[in-house]
Amino acid sequence: GAGVSQSPSNKVTEKGKDVELRCDPISGHTALYWYRQSLGQGLEFLIYFQGNSAPDKSGLPSDRFSAERTGGSVSTLTIQRTQQEDSAVYLCASSGDGGAGHYGYTFGSGTRLTVV
Amino acid sequence: GQSLEQPSEVTAVEGAIVQINCTYQTSGFYGLSWYQQHDGGAPTFLSYNALDGLEETGRFSSFLSRSDSYGYLLLQELQMKDSASYFCAVTSMDSNYQLIWGAGTKLIIKP
Repeated sequence: GAGVSQSPSNKVTEKGKDVELRCDPISGHTALYWYRQSLGQGLEFLIYFQGNSAPDKSGLPSDRFSAERTGGSVSTLTIQRTQQEDSAVYLCASSGDGGAGHYGYTFGSGTRLTVV
Repeated sequence: GQSLEQPSEVTAVEGAIVQINCTYQTSGFYGLSWYQQHDGGAPTFLSYNALDGLEETGRFSSFLSRSDSYGYLLLQELQMKDSASYFCAVTSMDSNYQLIWGAGTKLIIKP
């Protein structure tokens, strides 16, 4: 597609429920990233995919968080047994240069997750 | 470890020039990027410097000094729409060429 698409744009869920967040990157972009951002804060790295593999999962906060990418395209971030501290905006980005930064990351509009 | 420092907030006047500094401590430095993020929006890519010197793109310029581990973003002829947060980010070979992000600088522009 023309840009990075994320869905849903907003999600309100009850504490303890599971949620799935979807990211559809720019066609042909091999690198895909998930970040989390709380209000007024910087970007917290979660996970990085190169193709379908995830060389760096170091940012996942706990084992309740998992992510996968299929077909070198769409990625899903799953949060199990959500907690209130999971409330944040989840941003996905893709890059066509393997992540080196020359051409920049293109971000989606994010999913605003609210756990009540 | 890898770290970046940038001011948390900068205030400037419409029509003026403002410089946002970024210093970094990182091994395997490869390049320095700048991103802009408006409230409620997603970060958007502004510039990338791999070599020393100034890169100009319209009203925005970005500078890098590798020997000083320092860079800055220069915004000229400030407009109210430039009010946003600005993030510097380093590409590091030691982090699989992934971006390491600063905490962001909130730019407040007054009329």
